[in-house]
Amino acid sequence: GQQVMQIPQYQHVQEGEDFTTYCNSSTTLSNIQWYKQRPGGHPVFLIQLVKSGEVKKQKRLTFQFGEAKKNSSLHITATQTTDVGTYFCAGAMNYGGSQGNLIFGKGTKLSVKP
Amino acid sequence: GAGVSQTPSNKVTEKGKYVELRCDPISGHTALYWYRQSLGQGPEFLIYFQGTGAADDSGLPNDRFFAVRPEGSVSTLKIQRTERGDSAVYLCASSFIWGGELFFGEGSRLTVL
Repeated sequence: GQQVMQIPQYQHVQEGEDFTTYCNSSTTLSNIQWYKQRPGGHPVFLIQLVKSGEVKKQKRLTFQFGEAKKNSSLHITATQTTDVGTYFCAGAMNYGGSQGNLIFGKGTKLSVKP
Repeated sequence: GAGVSQTPSNKVTEKGKYVELRCDPISGHTALYWYRQSLGQGPEFLIYFQGTGAADDSGLPNDRFFAVRPEGSVSTLKIQRTERGDSAVYLCASSFIWGGELFFGEGSRLTVL
């Protein structure tokens, strides 16, 4: 079935370092969403990207959607301890112009050392 | 309500028993989703409702799993003859429109002994 691959699985950084997680789909996506899940919590929506090549910023977070709408990335500048958690991408499959279900990647677990 | 509410938050049952998990979505949200999350994995899609009808149940693992949303609001996920492999956190989410931002509940943690 359709899969959304996410790398790396884990990332350990020193506070102040940058962090990037990558998301890839074998098929063209209708759109992609990003979620953050804190330890013991539930996924919380961060952003949705719809257009080819789209770039969106939220303070220290930068989200990109690839030109072919098959890949995406999330970059965090100067990580803080509050950034700790697992970041999931979720791709909405494109079925001949119709949007399919959101398929989640396995997530990238970020730990930040103070 | 203020957010998506799921009950129970924890359920421990024995293999072979029947379980019901309830989800109360955000008022006004027409789309309701059930996902299942195992440790270290991303949420796995189970079923999606638009209004009262199951628009897509392709993610249900087998016929032991069934979900209803009779009045277009509260939904119940039903699992018959539970197996140890069913142990996971069952997440419910709702959205204002299909394809929009998902608002997740806290989840129901199911443990099958």
